[in-house]
Amino acid sequence: SQTIHQWPATLVQPVGSPLSLECTVEGTSNPNLYWYRQAAGRGLQLLFYSVGIGQISSEVPQNLSASRPQDRQFILSSKKLLLSDSGFYLCAWSQYRGEQYFGPGTRLTVT
Amino acid sequence: DQQVKQNSPSLSVQEGRISILNCDYTNSMFDYFLWYKKYPAEGPTFLISISSIKDKNEDGRFTVFLNKSAKHLSLHIVPSQPGDSAVYFCAASANFNKFYFGSGTKLNVKP
Repeated sequence: SQTIHQWPATLVQPVGSPLSLECTVEGTSNPNLYWYRQAAGRGLQLLFYSVGIGQISSEVPQNLSASRPQDRQFILSSKKLLLSDSGFYLCAWSQYRGEQYFGPGTRLTVT
Repeated sequence: DQQVKQNSPSLSVQEGRISILNCDYTNSMFDYFLWYKKYPAEGPTFLISISSIKDKNEDGRFTVFLNKSAKHLSLHIVPSQPGDSAVYFCAASANFNKFYFGSGTKLNVKP
């Protein structure tokens, strides 16, 4: 069966510090991978998606970036965090023509 | 511009009654629709989906209805149970690579 891992579960970072969130998927190959953010009281905002290694599509201009160094690994990064980057970050995967499956999420608080 | 909208931020229903959650979309190219359930501090879990070639899909207590002419879909939960209390998101896709989510409806099922 397929599983998706995200870490860390919670993170408190000062403004201006870097960020690295990691997501890995097991039990499937060549998945589509996604990063979403849910701000407090808001819906899910698609940040990035990837249909293959090294292929990243950005949905929202911001100070975040994503990379996919391996087939089942997706990384969300920032060089300098802003207060507005606080939120609940979710990684998800899907197979083509299939529903998405989400990881447990990372709660990021920028102070 | 939000392409998927859930105009009711919250809904309260008595246990045993029907819960009806609504979702509207603007993009006529959307051809695949999904509903997710989310508990606090967890990732969303997939509930049910429907393709645009259908107007109804059932899975146990959950039924999704699609009205393409009105660009409207709804999720019916019958009978509602206290364990159904969560935030429900609808999502839509035109190419199975990108999914657009609504802002969610918080359902409270009262015992």
